Amino acid sequence: DSGVTQTPKHLITATGQRVTLRCSPRSGDLSVYWYQQSLDQGLQFLIQYYNGEERAKGNILERFSAQQFPDLHSELNLSSLELGDSALYFCASSLIQGGRSEQFFGPGTRLTVL
Amino acid sequence: EDQVTQSPEALRLQEGESSSLNCSYTVSGLRGLFWYRQDPGKGPEFLFTLYSAGEEKEKERLKATLTKKESFLHITAPKPEDSATYLCAVRAGGTSYGKLTFGQGTILTVHP
Repeated sequence: DSGVTQTPKHLITATGQRVTLRCSPRSGDLSVYWYQQSLDQGLQFLIQYYNGEERAKGNILERFSAQQFPDLHSELNLSSLELGDSALYFCASSLIQGGRSEQFFGPGTRLTVL
Repeated sequence: EDQVTQSPEALRLQEGESSSLNCSYTVSGLRGLFWYRQDPGKGPEFLFTLYSAGEEKEKERLKATLTKKESFLHITAPKPEDSATYLCAVRAGGTSYGKLTFGQGTILTVHP
């Protein structure tokens, strides 16, 4: 158990819908990262927050957005869902935003878009 | 653009048969190379971080090494429970902050 929690574990929805994925980082970690894992693309970085502020953006679609709240939990919002958005979404956390700091991953949310 | 290439894509070993997994990388200012283990349907589990060429780290049957262009994950006398996908990732310098760029992984299967 990494100490990172994610809810829900599974999510099944229809095209065009909007969903919210939630992540709580390890106790004491200030930085949160979101990754998407699909069979053809592998594990892809989406976005990073550090202490409530956006720090780095990867291949995140405009239909996706995220935020980190004052209690440091983070939410990833996915809207106008398409079939191709079906994937595993992982949250990771680290103590600091870079440097010598390992990222610890949560168990993931499996999103299925029908 | 940062790139990570892992080989082989899949590796089948007999229990006790030692081998190595390769991770080649191209990155602007390496700030760390990371190895993770991932079981099916689960989140990646952190194994090692290496920061500079020549560095080595060990944990049970696993040993990770780093050169200026690649990293190796050596598995000594593997057991069936070592079966998993092994992921390599790099962190670059500059404005990448904590972003990790992952390889496609090596699927390791150890037969009893």
